[in-house]
Amino acid sequence: DGGITQSPKYLFRKEGQNVTLSCEQNLNHDAMYWYRQDPGQGLRLIYYSQIVNDFQKGDIAEGYSVSREKKESFPLTVTSAQKNPTAFYLCASSSTSGGRGFFGPGTRLTVL
Amino acid sequence: GESVGLHLPTLSVQEGDNSIINCAYSNSASDYFIWYKQESGKGPQFIIDIRSNMDKRQGQRVTVLLNKTVKHLSLQIAATQPGDSAVYFCAEKKASKIIFGSGTRLSIRP
Repeated sequence: DGGITQSPKYLFRKEGQNVTLSCEQNLNHDAMYWYRQDPGQGLRLIYYSQIVNDFQKGDIAEGYSVSREKKESFPLTVTSAQKNPTAFYLCASSSTSGGRGFFGPGTRLTVL
Repeated sequence: GESVGLHLPTLSVQEGDNSIINCAYSNSASDYFIWYKQESGKGPQFIIDIRSNMDKRQGQRVTVLLNKTVKHLSLQIAATQPGDSAVYFCAEKKASKIIFGSGTRLSIRP
């Protein structure tokens, strides 16, 4: 069963702590993405990666970090430098050709 | 800079009627334009995309129109059903970068 998985679905963290969100895909896609969505808002691009061991900043990269050591995995770390981290985080993947992107179910992060 | 925007934040449609959701974009260099549907609490679901060198593409009950002269994209949903209630996003893809617009909420009147 192919697709994208994100874990955990809900995550709580104390202010000042770093936290890592998982994203895995078995679609053999080269490109992967992280988006942030605030209530009633659109999706804003945090980071994206076109190939293993390479990634680019999106529009709101400050306070976040990523790695792409394997094609299947693109974890996102929300650092303590992110001033307002409470949000819904969405991971996606796509082939480098074509427009279609596949999204995971999302992780809802709440900072206490 | 790059931006993809929507004309209307909400749209109410009678069940069975056709829905038209509009989107304006500013970057003419995009490779693809894409429509997504997002239900509450879920990740966006791909609906249809259109290559930038095309004007029209049809899917099952959906049609996407691209007018490059006025930088306008639209999604037409035929015979709107209650299950079509969701937020619809347009997005553009340039190389591998995908940028989203702010979304239109579609509600269906019985």
